Amino acid sequence: DTAVSQTPKYLVTQMGNDKSIKCEQNLGHDTMYWYKQDSKKFLKIMFSYNNKELIINETVPNRFSPKSPDKAHLNLHINSLELGDSAVYFCASSQVNSYNSPLHFGNGTRLTVT
Amino acid sequence: TQLLEQSPQFLSIQEGENLTVYCNSSSVFSSLQWYRQEPGEGPVLLVTVVTGGEVKKLKRLTFQFGDARKDSSLHITAAQTGDTGLYLCAGGSQGNLIFGKGTKLSVKP
Repeated sequence: DTAVSQTPKYLVTQMGNDKSIKCEQNLGHDTMYWYKQDSKKFLKIMFSYNNKELIINETVPNRFSPKSPDKAHLNLHINSLELGDSAVYFCASSQVNSYNSPLHFGNGTRLTVT
Repeated sequence: TQLLEQSPQFLSIQEGENLTVYCNSSSVFSSLQWYRQEPGEGPVLLVTVVTGGEVKKLKRLTFQFGDARKDSSLHITAAQTGDTGLYLCAGGSQGNLIFGKGTKLSVKP
């Protein structure tokens, strides 16, 4: 059984479109995250939710809007996609809201904006 | 802003060789985590080190946390092709977990 699953695995779209990425975790964890990994493999946190409440919102454009309908799901909606949004987006979860708590990652969504 | 510098950035070795990769910072971390990421997958936790000077072993992998908790190293003995991957260190900073840029290890048969 997959612990953290995100869909789709690949997403190719044109500039200006709106797209969503879904994430679900079946680990019973309280905290979920979205990370962005650029072409140089640098992983940077975008958002963190603890029990459906936004905890961390790094300097991410307003075009990115996370939504957490319940603590097992954290979706990412992106409006007006730009070329620079091309990256691999990882969903992750941790048992508690602490940076000492290990992260469990999904397998990523590779977004390509043309 | 706390930064984690990893070195080397790339490492290509033959099977059977030993290697060490480093994770350094000018800041103190309460703990450091090491992850391995394979192509097309998310990072997977290998170990967490918490105490300054701590050494943890995971089969052929040995992790050490510096006495001052500013740096960490990962030593692999007798590398195997299955060790190929991107090794990331991560530490807590202002409520976030920040990642280094990783060491890309390639082990050739």
